Amino acid sequence: RKEVEQDPGPFNVPEGATVAFNCTYSNSASQSFFWYRQDCRKEPKLLMSVYSSGNEDGRFTAQLNRASQYISLLIRDSKLSDSATYLCVVTKDSNYQLIWGAGTKLIIKP
Amino acid sequence: SQTIHQWPATLVQPVGSPLSLECTVEGTSNPNLYWYRQAAGRGLQLLFYSVGIGQISSEVPQNLSASRPQDRQFILSSKKLLLSDSGFYLCAWSLRQGTSRKLFFGSGTQLSVL
Repeated sequence: RKEVEQDPGPFNVPEGATVAFNCTYSNSASQSFFWYRQDCRKEPKLLMSVYSSGNEDGRFTAQLNRASQYISLLIRDSKLSDSATYLCVVTKDSNYQLIWGAGTKLIIKP
Repeated sequence: SQTIHQWPATLVQPVGSPLSLECTVEGTSNPNLYWYRQAAGRGLQLLFYSVGIGQISSEVPQNLSASRPQDRQFILSSKKLLLSDSGFYLCAWSLRQGTSRKLFFGSGTQLSVL
């Protein structure tokens, strides 16, 4: 089993729709969780951290389910500019190592 | 504000040639520095990280090496490139203090070994 698993997609979604995807992780000792966004042939950029109680940033909502060991990202009122690959990142129990998912590709269609 | 510079953006090298990729960070001191490689359809793979000048930790055995000659400079090298070294290389930094592991990336180098 991979340490961090994501559905590679692509998710093809009409503009204005709501889309959600999950990421599962295998290490129950993981402490920190993040969603990064990566455009084609560009560097990843931090989208948001994921907190235990769930958190929201504008149209984006992130949630953590420790019991089932997954995190989720929900995008409301999707925009064409949301098209990208979304990377799930989880820390190991050491203080530096991040484990990256391979990403979920999202395509927003007009 | 902090910025990270990575160059070149693209590189085509023959098998057996040497490699040197450079990364510099501005606007912060004592950062943690990282080199990652991203293969198509794969997650980012950590190659090296550094918590200080001259301190390099390698995550995977490979044909590459890293050096940190100055606090905000990180260099990825190879004496002889292999075909399997092709990929998208990313330099990144994070704050040394605290528990945050948020990473900030350079713009990446697309390396093609032919």
